[in-house]
Amino acid sequence: DAGITQSPRHKVTETGTPVTLRCHQTENHRYMYWYRQDPGHGLRLIHYSYGVKDTDKGEVSDGYSVSRSKTEDFLLTLESATSSQTSVYFCAIGQPSETYEQYFGPGTRLTVT
Amino acid sequence: AQTVTQSQPEMSVQEAETVTLSCTYDTSESDYYLFWYKQPPSRQMILVIRQEAYKQQNATENRFSVNFQKAAKSFSLKISDSQLGDAAMYFCAYHDSGYALNFGKGTSLLVTP
Repeated sequence: DAGITQSPRHKVTETGTPVTLRCHQTENHRYMYWYRQDPGHGLRLIHYSYGVKDTDKGEVSDGYSVSRSKTEDFLLTLESATSSQTSVYFCAIGQPSETYEQYFGPGTRLTVT
Repeated sequence: AQTVTQSQPEMSVQEAETVTLSCTYDTSESDYYLFWYKQPPSRQMILVIRQEAYKQQNATENRFSVNFQKAAKSFSLKISDSQLGDAAMYFCAYHDSGYALNFGKGTSLLVTP
């Protein structure tokens, strides 16, 4: 299995509070991704990174920001959490110039009350 | 964005039998990659099989095989000799020369003894 960890694995927070999710990889992959998974929607891309300090928006980026200061770490921040951001969040890594496969972390279940 | 459609929200198969999960996609690209991911109750996303569009030969991985029909934009997954451990949500995904995977909404597979 690819070395990808996510923290925390579960979190309950209140509406309006900031939340940061962390993804850490040991595979030295250039690309990192944040997806959210909701019933009936599959996985949808929030943001991705193609290198240190290089990030871009995905399909559902409103209300989220990201940062990548090191190759191995990719942070997802909800500046002011809303109930619509209750979801399961997955981090993934990949090398799109090579195999296009992506490997996923274990996921974080976030509940915004 | 490319669209990936899984028309079967739920499927059921008896142990030791064969089941086929359907997936269609919409694209104007000629080079792309297709994947099937498995998500068991543990929530971990597991890569099952991949297919490169330029390859005519259908991919196989042990009991898992695909039927790739490029002209019809169809990419079905066949699971032979189904086992209880195959019970999971299965996601079809598409990746072209861009940056991310596009997922279908998933098919829930139930395996009965």
